[in-house]
Amino acid sequence: QKEVEQNSGPLSVPEGAIASLNCTYSDRGSQSFFWYRQYSGKSPELIMFIYSNGDKEDGRFTAQLNKASQYVSLLIRDSQPSDSATYLCAVRTNTGNQFYFGTGTSLTVIP
Amino acid sequence: DADVTQTPRNRITKTGKRIMLECSQTKGHDRMYWYRQDPGLGLRLIYYSFDVKDINKGEISDGYSVSRQAQAKFSLSLESAIPNQTALYFCATRLSGSTYNEQFFGPGTRLTVL
Repeated sequence: QKEVEQNSGPLSVPEGAIASLNCTYSDRGSQSFFWYRQYSGKSPELIMFIYSNGDKEDGRFTAQLNKASQYVSLLIRDSQPSDSATYLCAVRTNTGNQFYFGTGTSLTVIP
Repeated sequence: DADVTQTPRNRITKTGKRIMLECSQTKGHDRMYWYRQDPGLGLRLIYYSFDVKDINKGEISDGYSVSRQAQAKFSLSLESAIPNQTALYFCATRLSGSTYNEQFFGPGTRLTVL
């Protein structure tokens, strides 16, 4: 079983819709959870992080964490064509020494 | 200027050649990481270093070696390159004890082994 799993997609949504991206992780003791956005051929850039159960909002982005279900999600409201990218879920292990990344979900926002 | 730089940005080499990828950072971070990214496999950790004297193997270290020459520099070497090491390589840095614990990535090196 992989440490972090994501649906690879592709996920397509119309402009202005809500995009929902999901991620599950295997290490129940994991403490920190991150969402990175990666444009084709570019490096990952952090868009959200979350540590506590519940929701965390930042502009059009909301991260949701459910530690009991070992599930973290990212919602993008009012999706824009510029949001079209691959979104990587990352988990920092309990030891804090390593980060594990999912394979990424490809999102396309259709104008 | 970029905070995390990688050289070269692109490299084509032949099977059996030794190659070094370099990473430098001006962020003052103590922790540095090397990842490779392959289509469908995501980012996988090769090596990581917590300081100049602390080097650790990651998930896929076989066929690679590293050197932490200074706090700001972390190099990745392929002693004898093989075609399945063709990938996009990223260096990342992190500041231990920071509030957000995020990693910052360099621009990447695209390596092709023929």
